[in-house]
Amino acid sequence: NAGVTQTPKFRILKIGQSMTLQCTQDMNHNYMYWYRQDPGMGLKLIYYSVGAGITDKGEVPNGYNVSRSTTEDFPLRLELAAPSQTSVYFCASSRRTGDEKLFFGSGTQLSVL
Amino acid sequence: QKEVEQNSGPLSVPEGAIASLNCTYSDRGSQSFFWYRQYSGKSPELIMSIYSNGDKEDGRFTAQLNKASQYVSLLIRDSQPSDSATYLCAVNIGRTGFQKLVFGTGTRLLVSP
Repeated sequence: NAGVTQTPKFRILKIGQSMTLQCTQDMNHNYMYWYRQDPGMGLKLIYYSVGAGITDKGEVPNGYNVSRSTTEDFPLRLELAAPSQTSVYFCASSRRTGDEKLFFGSGTQLSVL
Repeated sequence: QKEVEQNSGPLSVPEGAIASLNCTYSDRGSQSFFWYRQYSGKSPELIMSIYSNGDKEDGRFTAQLNKASQYVSLLIRDSQPSDSATYLCAVNIGRTGFQKLVFGTGTRLLVSP
């Protein structure tokens, strides 16, 4: 099983550019999440989804958008990239909220210059 | 006060020693607690979960929970160089609806041969 797959692994953006980080999971999980991890700052929740067609903001949603048209896919859109969005982004999924283990993708290292 | 606090370390222990990692949390209503291990440049992976006061053992790992003191710890017995990683404490915040998993900033563990 592939689990949670993220692409790309690395990306450099110029200020003001836009891009989409792709995330797909093959475990039929309802819950999907996007986190960002800054050095020494832990993981911060950007957006989450409880199922196809349902998304909601996490702790740090500004500058990002998401969609969930299928159970498998949960892309994260960065509009007008800023240096503050330089970070490592992780997509994760779980069977249900709360008590379940999170399955993480391998991460995307993004630099905005 | 941060929701989940950890000492960033590094915590240095010799091979074969016991490593003790600590975490405090602010929400008295939290019911679920997790320890994730993250190797440098990799994604987090769940190593322990604990829900009740007391100790929970899994191989060389023991999680300890004290809800009255809002304290959770991870003991690693017979530490190995392969245990060198950052250990993230995560606490489930929220009693109804979506339950947010809040991560600490992590403690870096270094096990020397």
